[in-house]
Amino acid sequence: DTGVSQNPRHKITKRGQNVTFRCDPISEHNRLYWYRQTLGQGPEFLTYFQNEAQLEKSRLLSDRFSAERPKGSFSTLEIQRTEQGDSAMYLCASSLVGQVYEQYFGPGTRLTVT
Amino acid sequence: KQEVTQIPAALSVPEGENLVLNCSFTDSAIYNLQWFRQDPGKGLTSLLLIQSSQREQTSGRLNASLDKSSGRSTLYIAASQPGDSATYLCAVSLVKAAGNKLTFGGGTRVLVKP
Repeated sequence: DTGVSQNPRHKITKRGQNVTFRCDPISEHNRLYWYRQTLGQGPEFLTYFQNEAQLEKSRLLSDRFSAERPKGSFSTLEIQRTEQGDSAMYLCASSLVGQVYEQYFGPGTRLTVT
Repeated sequence: KQEVTQIPAALSVPEGENLVLNCSFTDSAIYNLQWFRQDPGKGLTSLLLIQSSQREQTSGRLNASLDKSSGRSTLYIAASQPGDSATYLCAVSLVKAAGNKLTFGGGTRVLVKP
C-alpha cells in the first residue's frame, strides 16, 4: 500500500492554457474525492466518484472543470482556459465504502496561473 | 449548511506544554469527524477519526474528544515538541451529505518553540 499519489506536484501555467492533474488512489479504495485549498484556508470539496461514477459536483466546479475516473482506478482533473483565480492546491483523497469512511489524502498538486 | 470553525487561528507554545485545539460545527448530525495535520506546502495526514457514536479517540500523545450535542471537538497534544509545529485541520462529514464529503475548518497554525 503506497498511499494516494498525485502528479504533477507543481504546475505553473499561463492564463488561458489547459492543465490536467492525475490522482492514483489507494488500490482497493472505491471512493475518490477532489478538494481545492487556497492559501490560509481549509480544503473545499469539488467532486467525488464511487468506482467510475461521478456522483456529486460542487458549485465551485465551473464548466471549465472536468473530472474523470475511467474504469474506477485513477482519476484526472482538467481545467480549461485557466484563470488566475484557479491558483490553488488541488488535493485528492480516497476511501473505502464501509462503516468508517476514513479519507486518506495525497500530497496535492500546487497550481500557479500567471 | 454545515460550518466548521477553528479557534484560535494560530497558537505558539514553548516545548513541553500541552496543546489544546478547538473545533466547532453548526450541524450536529455528523457521521464522523477527522483531525488532520498539514505541513507547509504538503498534503493532509490523518491523525484521528472519531465516529459519531464515540466520545474520544487516542493515539500516542494525541487525544481527541467529541461532544455532538454542543457541536464541539477538542484535540489534545501532550508534551508538545518542535516537530509538532504544523497546521491542524478538523473536518466533519454529515449524515445527509452524499459520499461522506468532508467540510473543513480553517485550521489552527501551531508553533512549538524549543
